[in-house]
Amino acid sequence: DAGVIQSPRHEVTEMGQEVTLRCKPISGHDYLFWYRQTMMRGLELLIYFNNNVPIDDSGMPEDRFSAKMPNASFSTLKIQPSEPRDSAVYFCASSLPGGALLFGPGTRLTVL
Amino acid sequence: DQQVKQNSPSLSVQEGRISILNCDYTNSMFDYFLWYKKYPAEGPTFLISISSIKDKNEDGRFTVFLNKSAKHLSLHIVPSQPGDSAVYFCAAASGGGADGLTFGKGTHLIIQP
Repeated sequence: DAGVIQSPRHEVTEMGQEVTLRCKPISGHDYLFWYRQTMMRGLELLIYFNNNVPIDDSGMPEDRFSAKMPNASFSTLKIQPSEPRDSAVYFCASSLPGGALLFGPGTRLTVL
Repeated sequence: DQQVKQNSPSLSVQEGRISILNCDYTNSMFDYFLWYKKYPAEGPTFLISISSIKDKNEDGRFTVFLNKSAKHLSLHIVPSQPGDSAVYFCAAASGGGADGLTFGKGTHLIIQP
């Protein structure tokens, strides 16, 4: 398996623009997680899905953030409109029940 | 409020010696603990884990110790190698990890030749 795949790897956009980050989890994994890493706050859990259903989105910072998982092999994290303080590295991870989270390479987002 | 704390932002160790990375937690509901290693421009990589029913878990050069009464865990790497230079994250979860992990802010380990 290729592991968790994220795209794009880097995204530079201007304030106010819509940003969509994409994730393909490892085949067969029931859980998918979106994390954000910043210098100030470290790695924060934003939202996670079990069998494509959002379970806990309490970490999503604002209504500008939304996430979907239309099927078992694809998830998106959308920010609309984006702001400079959204600049961070966004990681997607997947796991089996009770298993360790396996992370993708991340998307580095810069909002100017 | 940080539930998982790594109080040393960085640690420098000589090659061949033992590296000890420390982690403290405050949430008594945590029952599953993991260590991740991260290189620049890559995602965190799972290293080793321990369940709260154990106090030690070993995998090659890596050993994790858990002291539940002190709410403290540590990662020992022996002997340390240059490729071990990375940021190490401590993570914790309740319910076996199904609800996601809470991470510490990481310790940057530098192995000096």
